[in-house]
Amino acid sequence: GAGVSQSPSNKVTEKGKDVELRCDPISGHTALYWYRQSLGQGLEFLIYFQGNSAPDKSGLPSDRFSAERTGGSVSTLTIQRTQQEDSAVYLCASSHGGAWTGELFFGEGSRLTVL
Amino acid sequence: SQQGEEDPQALSIQEGENATMNCSYKTSINNLQWYRQNSGRGLVHLILIRSNEREKHSGRLRVTLDTSKKSSSLLITASRAADTASYFCATRDAGNMLTFGGGTRLMVKP
Repeated sequence: GAGVSQSPSNKVTEKGKDVELRCDPISGHTALYWYRQSLGQGLEFLIYFQGNSAPDKSGLPSDRFSAERTGGSVSTLTIQRTQQEDSAVYLCASSHGGAWTGELFFGEGSRLTVL
Repeated sequence: SQQGEEDPQALSIQEGENATMNCSYKTSINNLQWYRQNSGRGLVHLILIRSNEREKHSGRLRVTLDTSKKSSSLLITASRAADTASYFCATRDAGNMLTFGGGTRLMVKP
């Protein structure tokens, strides 16, 4: 597609349930990033993919969070046993070529609300 | 932890005035980028300045970088109501991570 696509745009779930967030990057972009943004705050880095591998998982908050990327394209961020503090907007971004060298193209985000 | 810290956290100006936002960071960087975020939307890249550059222009935007002070500024000239948004600086350091600051919320009153 023309831009980074994320789904769902909004997700409301109950505490303890698992959620999956999807990111479809710009075609041809080899690098993919997940960030989390709490209300009115800056962006918290979660994980970065180069192709299908994740050389940097340092930002994942806990072992309830996992992410994968298949075919060098679509990525899924999974949060197991959601907690209220997981409520945030989850932003995905992609970029050309190698790591972190140029600009990131962001999706509109997936807003997660855990009740 | 955040590498970049924006100042001020919030800024309110009248249309036509200039808006200046500052960003300070802690470690050596490869480049510094500024992004804009409209409420409820994703971030949009505005401008990138490399560590060996001191000033860069793009339309009504002017970015400066002072590596000796580990700081950058974003100037928006002749502001418009449509410039109302949050503005974030992001730094790429030697560890190759792009780290974002907390942002400056700009309101431009018509």
